[in-house]
Amino acid sequence: DGGITQSPKYLFRKEGQNVTLSCEQNLNHDAMYWYRQDPGQGLRLIYYSQIVNDFQKGDIAEGYSVSREKKESFPLTVTSAQKNPTAFYLCASSIIGTGRLAADNEQFFGPGTRLTVL
Amino acid sequence: AQKVTQAQTEISVVEKEDVTLDCVYETRDTTYYLFWYKQPPSGELVFLIRRNSFDEQNEISGRYSWNFQKSTSSFNFTITASQVVDSAVYFCALSEAGDDKIIFGKGTRLHILP
Repeated sequence: DGGITQSPKYLFRKEGQNVTLSCEQNLNHDAMYWYRQDPGQGLRLIYYSQIVNDFQKGDIAEGYSVSREKKESFPLTVTSAQKNPTAFYLCASSIIGTGRLAADNEQFFGPGTRLTVL
Repeated sequence: AQKVTQAQTEISVVEKEDVTLDCVYETRDTTYYLFWYKQPPSGELVFLIRRNSFDEQNEISGRYSWNFQKSTSSFNFTITASQVVDSAVYFCALSEAGDDKIIFGKGTRLHILP
């Protein structure tokens, strides 16, 4: 089945530790995104990538880092510099049509990772 | 600047009632795209509909319908004969042509009571 997988589903981390969230897609999508969801806040964009080896900061990139070494994979690292890392993290992907930008198309989401900092 | 407002934070209706979720957007572009997503308790967002700014036709898909009105910058979502399985958080979203990001509203939590 084609889709997006995120692992782990639940993650606990001690304050001061870096942690990496996995996101893999087998939809052959060009673009991938990371969002953070807090209660009552909707989804906020952390980073996105439209092509391998390239990515851009979203609205709340501070304290996070990403890489895009393969089309299928877009891991997110939550660093110790992120002040309030406890949240629900969602990964998404979309195709990019000829002459169009990724945001023109619908995004497909993974099941999310709930990160709790102890 | 882009903005999406979902004024209804939480709605509760009894099963089989109709319910409308409101979405008001702001954009300076003439070409843009609007989306609705459903987030069930499992957490994964599910795409429901995409509409471009040049297509104001209302759309119906089973019990779901969408009313797009550029004059009021609204893209409202109606569920007819609601069911318990419709309970979820629903997000409205907007992207402007020439941009590579989607802006989400804060969502409306819908409770369908049996």
